[in-house]
Amino acid sequence: DAGVIQSPRHEVTEMGQEVTLRCKPISGHNSLFWYRQTMMRGLELLIYFNNNVPIDDSGMPEDRFSAKMPNASFSTLKIQPSEPRDSAVYFCASSSAGEKSSYEQYFGPGTRLTVT
Amino acid sequence: GNSVTQMEGPVTLSEEAFLTINCTYTATGYPSLFWYVQYPGEGLQLLLKATKADDKGSNKGFEATYRKETTSFHLEKGSVQVSDSAVYFCALRPGSSNTGKLIFGQGTTLQVKP
Repeated sequence: DAGVIQSPRHEVTEMGQEVTLRCKPISGHNSLFWYRQTMMRGLELLIYFNNNVPIDDSGMPEDRFSAKMPNASFSTLKIQPSEPRDSAVYFCASSSAGEKSSYEQYFGPGTRLTVT
Repeated sequence: GNSVTQMEGPVTLSEEAFLTINCTYTATGYPSLFWYVQYPGEGLQLLLKATKADDKGSNKGFEATYRKETTSFHLEKGSVQVSDSAVYFCALRPGSSNTGKLIFGQGTTLQVKP
C-alpha cells in the first residue's frame, strides 16, 4: 500500500514567492491533517479536514496560509506570499475516522521548506 | 481542556539501558492514547496505542500502560539500541472526538550511545 504522499520533498524559494505543498492521503481515509514542525515551536496542527470539509483551521498562522481539499485524494497547502519565518517541515497525515475506526494517523515524509 | 505533557529531553542512554519516557495527560471522558516515533528526516510513525484504561500497548520491545488513576501513559523499553535514537511523541484522541484529531505532546528526544 502506498502511504501518504507529499510533494515536493524539498522546496527552496525566495521571500514573497507563492509556495504550494501537495498531499495525497491514503486511499479510503476520510480525515486529513496539515502540520508544521520547527525546532522552536515543535509540531503544530495547522488545519484538518473531515470528508473534504475543513473542520478546524484555528492553527493556520495568518491569512497568508490557505488549504484546500477539492476531493478525497488530494489536498494543497498554499503560502502566499512566503516569508523566512515560514521555513519549516510541513507534514500531511491522514486517518480513517468513524464509529469502527482506529483513528490512527499516518504521516507523510514531509516537505522541507526554506524561504530565503 | 485536553493536553499532553512529556518529560523534557534529550534523554541520553547507553546501549542496553532501561528506558522510561514519562507522559501524563489531561482529558475529559475516556481518551485513546498513542505513542509515535520520528526517526531523523522522516515523518511520525505510530509505535503503539491503548484505547481504554489498563490496556497495554506494545511494539518492537516498547510498552506503555494506560493508567487512568494517574492519567499517565509512560513509555518503557527494557534494553535500548542505538537504532532507537529518535524523537518520541505521546498523543491523545479525546473520547468525545469523532474526527481523529490528536493532541500531541512536545516530543522527547532519545539519544542512545554505543
